[in-house]
Amino acid sequence: DAKTTQPPSMDCAEGRAANLPCNHSTISGNEYVYWYRQIHSQGPQYIIHGLKNNETNEMASLIITEDRKSSTLILPHATLRDTAVYYCIVNPLGSGGYQKVTFGTGTKLQVIP
Amino acid sequence: KAGVTQTPRYLIKTRGQQVTLSCSPISGHRSVSWYQQTPGQGLQFLFEYFSETQRNKGNFPGRFSGRQFSNSRSEMNVSTLELGDSALYLCASSLVVTSTDTQYFGPGTRLTVL
Repeated sequence: DAKTTQPPSMDCAEGRAANLPCNHSTISGNEYVYWYRQIHSQGPQYIIHGLKNNETNEMASLIITEDRKSSTLILPHATLRDTAVYYCIVNPLGSGGYQKVTFGTGTKLQVIP
Repeated sequence: KAGVTQTPRYLIKTRGQQVTLSCSPISGHRSVSWYQQTPGQGLQFLFEYFSETQRNKGNFPGRFSGRQFSNSRSEMNVSTLELGDSALYLCASSLVVTSTDTQYFGPGTRLTVL
């Protein structure tokens, strides 16, 4: 099962783009990349997921490298409310829960006024 | 549509006691997973239930158990509580119709064992 590596913390100025990297060099062909975030004392919130193409939704963009060994979550205009811990995980298709995935400690993003 | 709800939100128990936590998934969701989150270990998978059957299980001792009812609501039980069981317990539900398994988490139950 693929594991992910993320920097423990990052700062971003309010209004600027926040680019959060994730390394998943052992990802398998059937594993999606998911991003979640967790605001203090709340449950994790789904942000976006992708397989190999770049994805965009109302919250963020996900850029996956061609070899799929790394990805970047982009928050285009960070606000103070985006301050949270961001988790990057990989999971096989149709696996029924993230049973073999440890969310780990993620990246703590601090948005600075 | 209402989100995942968990009760109680906060709980204080003493060592040796047992505790039952409840989770109501999003309407229509059939898969419910449970996670334990501690500062040192991050978020770790406990088990997953689908159609009243435990489908997957994480690496936790037998003191941790769960069940799912016909309405998809789920409970988890921890017996003989230890100090190390103090954690945020999260429940997540998913639709399991598509293959992407996007999970929606509840707010969690904060368990403190004294």
